[in-house]
Amino acid sequence: GENVEQHPSTLSVQEGDSAVIKCTYSDSASNYFPWYKQELGKGPQLIIDIRSNVGEKKDQRIAVTLNKTAKHFSLHITETQPEDSAVYFCAAKLLQGSGNTGKLIFGQGTTLQVKP
Amino acid sequence: EAQVTQNPRYLITVTGKKLTVTCSQNMNHEYMSWYRQDPGLGLRQIYYSMNVEVTDKGDVPEGYKVSRKEKRNFPLILESPSPNQTSLYFCASSWGRDGISPLHFGNGTRLTVT
Repeated sequence: GENVEQHPSTLSVQEGDSAVIKCTYSDSASNYFPWYKQELGKGPQLIIDIRSNVGEKKDQRIAVTLNKTAKHFSLHITETQPEDSAVYFCAAKLLQGSGNTGKLIFGQGTTLQVKP
Repeated sequence: EAQVTQNPRYLITVTGKKLTVTCSQNMNHEYMSWYRQDPGLGLRQIYYSMNVEVTDKGDVPEGYKVSRKEKRNFPLILESPSPNQTSLYFCASSWGRDGISPLHFGNGTRLTVT
C-alpha cells in the first residue's frame, strides 16, 4: 500500500525566513497531494493541495511543488510569521474500496516553530 | 457554523472499562472517518464510513468499533481499552468519498488509558 515519508520532523526558523517541508510517496498511482496544518489544540485543516497534472501551485506565502518522476512533493512557506507555527502534515491519496473512492495516507508530521 | 464536534476533549480511564467517543457533523457529509495521532506516526485511519450503515476498517482497526446509524453521527467505541490505545483521536468528515474532498476535522479527544 501507499507509504508517505515526511521530513524533517521538527523545523525551527527565524521570522521572515523560508521553511521547506518535504514528503515522498511510494505508490505511483497516487494523484492528489494535500497539506494540512494543525494548530495547537485543534484538528488539522487543509491549507493547500496539488493534483498530479500540475507541477506547482501557489497561494500567497505558501506553495507546493510536485515531482512525479521522483515521487516527492514539498511545501514552501515564505516570509514566515509566528502564526505559521504549527504541525504540518502532507498526505497522498490512495484508492479505497470500489469505484472512485479514496482515502488519504498521511505523513508523520513536521512541527514548525517560527521564532520572533 | 459548519463543524465536526467530538466529545469529550479529554478522557482518562482504566484498562478494560468500555468507553465511547462521540462525533457529530452538521454539514450533511457522506464520508466520516476516525484517526489516531501518535508522535512520529502521523495520522492513521482507524475506521471509515461511506454512508449510513456502511463502515469499513482502516489501517489500525484492532480494539475499536464504530457505528453509523445516522448520517451526522459516527461514534468510536473501545470495548476494552488498553494502554496502547492512549492517543489523540480525531474524527473527520467530507462531502465526497473520493479522497479528494477536503477533510473537516474535529478538535480531537485526548485519551489516556492507565
